[in-house]
Amino acid sequence: KAGVTQTPRYLIKTRGQQVTLSCSPISGHRSVSWYQQTPGQGLQFLFEYFSETQRNKGNFPGRFSGRQFSNSRSEMNVSTLELGDSALYLCASNHGLGPTITGELFFGEGSRLTVL
Amino acid sequence: AQRVTQPEKLLSVFKGAPVELKCNYSYSGSPELFWYVQYSRQRLQLLLRHISRESIKGFTADLNKGETSFHLKKPFAQEEDSAMYYCALSGGPGAGSYQLTFGKGTKLSVIP
Repeated sequence: KAGVTQTPRYLIKTRGQQVTLSCSPISGHRSVSWYQQTPGQGLQFLFEYFSETQRNKGNFPGRFSGRQFSNSRSEMNVSTLELGDSALYLCASNHGLGPTITGELFFGEGSRLTVL
Repeated sequence: AQRVTQPEKLLSVFKGAPVELKCNYSYSGSPELFWYVQYSRQRLQLLLRHISRESIKGFTADLNKGETSFHLKKPFAQEEDSAMYYCALSGGPGAGSYQLTFGKGTKLSVIP
């Protein structure tokens, strides 16, 4: 089956702009989570959605937001971009059932955002 | 707060030598621990998780709650093991259970 798909793969924005990234999970997966990866901070959890509800949230400012649609596809939005938002944004999907992560998180290839 | 520490950014070993990638964690409850791997030009993928107690590609990892460690080991390194390895933790049932906290990773280089 098709893997996790993220679009766009690369994008360049300027400070103050906003950006929307999209993630299509593996068919049948209802949990979608987002991570920011930078050389300095590594992989940091942004948020996780399950059945259109945000279930977990990391320690990022309110400029970072997300949503999930009824078909489990998810988007994340970053408003008022700052230079420090330059990063690889990874999306991961999982069936999301059960009280804990019982299976694998399947990652996409990421969206590389550069803020100038 | 939960934290995962991988003390080595880079580990170089010769082919056929034993490998140990260190991972220490801090978490107040009963965590679930994982090792993820990223080979060159590939996606981040699960290598193994402590709950399944399995050996994948010759790698094993034992959860030591006393030392709060989850080191990854392989008795004989192969060139194809060269990759970036991430140790990760998730909380038990409840809030944060689908949230992974990652270490900063260790790049393993196996010298032929």
